[in-house]
Amino acid sequence: ETGVTQSPTHLIKTRGQQVTLRCSSQSGHNTVSWYQQALGQGPQFIFQYYREEENGRGNFPPRFSGLQFPNYSSELNVNALELDDSALYLCASSLLGLVNEQYFGPGTRLTVT
Amino acid sequence: QQQVKQSPQSLIVQKGGISIINCAYENTAFDYFPWYQQFPGKGPALLIAIRPDVSEKKEGRFTISFNKSAKQFSLHIMDSQPGDSATYFCAASKAAGNKLTFGGGTRVLVKP
Repeated sequence: ETGVTQSPTHLIKTRGQQVTLRCSSQSGHNTVSWYQQALGQGPQFIFQYYREEENGRGNFPPRFSGLQFPNYSSELNVNALELDDSALYLCASSLLGLVNEQYFGPGTRLTVT
Repeated sequence: QQQVKQSPQSLIVQKGGISIINCAYENTAFDYFPWYQQFPGKGPALLIAIRPDVSEKKEGRFTISFNKSAKQFSLHIMDSQPGDSATYFCAASKAAGNKLTFGGGTRVLVKP
């Protein structure tokens, strides 16, 4: 059984640029959730994808968007990057409907300068 | 609006001691309460979780106590070890929603 993987590990971008982060879900899981974790804080829910459709969204602007693919992997896209977008971006996979257990990947550290 | 409040922010305990972290929630629709452990530079790892139909759950040295009427739950780490030094997060979610609402975290340092 493979765990959740994310790429890249680290990323440095300039304000105004766009970024794409990637996540491969754990084997057998059909749901991917994305979280933003600012330094010293708890993760904040961005959105969740189930069967390639957005299935819930947190309090994040539309410049945060995502995709889920038929193999359940997912992308997080952020447009018009702002300095406050600097954070650890976490992907979590789960099996929707049966259990609520979410398993997190190692995260992508995004720095916006 | 912070729906899950966690305390203390940091905790120092001697090796062999008990670490206690408390969380309080507001949303009575929450019915799943996990705890996550996070080491620097790593993603959160699921430690233990409880549903409100039980008042206590124990797994090894980790115990969750749950008080539904007070809308509070806590994590007890027995016989704390230096390897337990990490940041611990409580969280809560609704039945089928899967969206986790996290507390602010508690940094635990276990001194040898």
